Amino acid sequence: RKEVEQDPGPFNVPEGATVAFNCTYSNSASQSFFWYRQDCRKEPKLLMSVYSSGNEDGRFTAQLNRASQYISLLIRDSKLSDSATYLCVVNPAGGGNKLTFGTGTQLKVEL
Amino acid sequence: GAGVSQSPSNKVTEKGKDVELRCDPISGHTALYWYRQSLGQGLEFLIYFQGNSAPDKSGLPSDRFSAERTGGSVSTLTIQRTQQEDSAVYLCASSLGAVYRDRALGIGAFFGQGTRLTVV
Repeated sequence: RKEVEQDPGPFNVPEGATVAFNCTYSNSASQSFFWYRQDCRKEPKLLMSVYSSGNEDGRFTAQLNRASQYISLLIRDSKLSDSATYLCVVNPAGGGNKLTFGTGTQLKVEL
Repeated sequence: GAGVSQSPSNKVTEKGKDVELRCDPISGHTALYWYRQSLGQGLEFLIYFQGNSAPDKSGLPSDRFSAERTGGSVSTLTIQRTQQEDSAVYLCASSLGAVYRDRALGIGAFFGQGTRLTVV
């Protein structure tokens, strides 16, 4: 089983839609979780950290479910500019501070 | 500088030649990562440095690949006897390297713009 697994997509949604991505991780003792965004032919950029109690940043909401070992990202009122690949990132316990990246979920927001 | 700097931004080399890729992390970041990404593919972990600890080399694909980090700052990734399958974007990232729980500080890693390596 991969350490971090994501549905590769693509998710094709109309502008204004709400879309959610899930990501599962294998190490139950993992400590830190993040969502990154990667635009085509660009480097990944940190979108938001994921806290145990859930956190929101504008149209983006991240949640962590430790019992089921998954994290989620919800995007409300999606914009054309949200089209990108979203990478789930986990800091597994015992791995020092090394971050493990999922392969990403591709989102395409259409008119 | 303000961000992670990588050089060169593009490199075209002939098969069999050696190449060196450089990464200058954010000042004060103790953790440094190298990844590579082939066109349309996900990130592939190569190597991870954390302070003075022995690096995690578990992702290096062959003994043609090596990396060092001098003085806890600048890192160089060396690929010897390059092959066409080495063609990819090589990404470097750095982070504070401190693990914080929950809401204290969720510090992730910050990437450079990458070196696009093409082996012809």
